[in-house]
Amino acid sequence: EPEVTQTPSHQVTQMGQEVILRCVPISNHLYFYWYRQILGQKVEFLVSFYNNEISEKSEIFDDQFSVERPDGSNFTLKIRSTKLEDSAMYFCASSREINTDTQYFGPGTRLTVL
Amino acid sequence: AQSVTQLDSHVSVSEGTPVLLRCNYSSSYSPSLFWYVQHPNKGLQLLLKYTSAATLVKGINGFEAEFKKSETSFHLTKPSAHMSDAAEYFCVVSDPYNAGNMLTFGGGTRLMVKP
Repeated sequence: EPEVTQTPSHQVTQMGQEVILRCVPISNHLYFYWYRQILGQKVEFLVSFYNNEISEKSEIFDDQFSVERPDGSNFTLKIRSTKLEDSAMYFCASSREINTDTQYFGPGTRLTVL
Repeated sequence: AQSVTQLDSHVSVSEGTPVLLRCNYSSSYSPSLFWYVQHPNKGLQLLLKYTSAATLVKGINGFEAEFKKSETSFHLTKPSAHMSDAAEYFCVVSDPYNAGNMLTFGGGTRLMVKP
């Protein structure tokens, strides 16, 4: 069964450094998403992406964040200058269609900012 | 705006006894509703989804949920718990008119199953 994969599983970085989290969505999916979960808090939507454009973004997704689909398989989330409060589990998801279609999630990348 | 409240952060049951995980939602529209499960070090796996068809939805591993519009609830049940059901469960709502298909998550319920 196809799966969404994410690398790395755990990333440790120093405050102020740039990080790139990588995701490989399911191959025939067209819609891609990032969510995050700060320890002890709810899973929160960050951004959705379709046809090489952001479809929607939350208030969390400020100018420090960017997403890209650099090739036909990868989907990346970049944080330009990490802050302590960016420490969280970041989940990538993909769906074949939009509007009620199921989103399939990866296992997550745990980002620790020191 | 939509929101989801999972009424119990932790639920503990004995193996072989019924499971009830409670979820209430708030949405301006007729929402789509989902239950996802997360086992340790695994991704979020879809258990079941409701999209305005039958109000009783059957999912994987013997789970089912009933959509009750009058109560704005979408509780998850299973007749008999198994040790492998121990995990975190998330109730999720989606606004079908939302262009970005944003999912809104509840706080999660950790299910513990005692032998």
